[in-house]
Amino acid sequence: GAGVSQSPSNKVTEKGKDVELRCDPISGHTALYWYRQSLGQGLEFLIYFQGNSAPDKSGLPSDRFSAERTGGSVSTLTIQRTQQEDSAVYLCASSLVGGGLQETQYFGPGTRLLVL
Amino acid sequence: SQQGEEDPQALSIQEGENATMNCSYKTSINNLQWYRQNSGRGLVHLILIRSNEREKHSGRLRVTLDTSKKSSSLLITASRAADTASYFCATDAWAAGNKLTFGGGTRVLVKP
Repeated sequence: GAGVSQSPSNKVTEKGKDVELRCDPISGHTALYWYRQSLGQGLEFLIYFQGNSAPDKSGLPSDRFSAERTGGSVSTLTIQRTQQEDSAVYLCASSLVGGGLQETQYFGPGTRLLVL
Repeated sequence: SQQGEEDPQALSIQEGENATMNCSYKTSINNLQWYRQNSGRGLVHLILIRSNEREKHSGRLRVTLDTSKKSSSLLITASRAADTASYFCATDAWAAGNKLTFGGGTRVLVKP
């Protein structure tokens, strides 16, 4: 596709349920990033993929959060046993190379997660 | 904690006026970028300024960077109602790997 896509656009879930968020990066982009944005706040880094590997997971807030990337393309962010404080917009971004080179990150529209 | 702090948090101006917002950061950086966000969704990249650059222009946007003060400014000239959005600065640094560290953003309202 022309840009980064994310699904679902919106997700409402009950506390304690697991959710999966999907990100399709721009074709050919090797670097993929997940961020979280709470209401009215800036973005908080979660995890970075270079290809299928995640050299930086430092932003994952707890072991309930995990992410994987397959085929150097699609990534899924999984939140287990969701809590109300997980409610936020989850944004995915991709860039062409990553690996320490400074380049523009292209963002998807985000998934708005609401945990009741 | 966030690397960047933005000032002001909110800004309301009339169409045609200039809008200036500032970003300060704490540690040495490689680059500083400005992004725009409409309606709390996806971010759009506006401009990137490298640590060895002092000023950069793109259309109606002017960005300055003062590494001695660890600060940057974004100026939008001749604002339009369509410029209404939140604007974020983001830094990357060798110490932080590839990730961008974002400020809290400035909400800009341009009144027609």
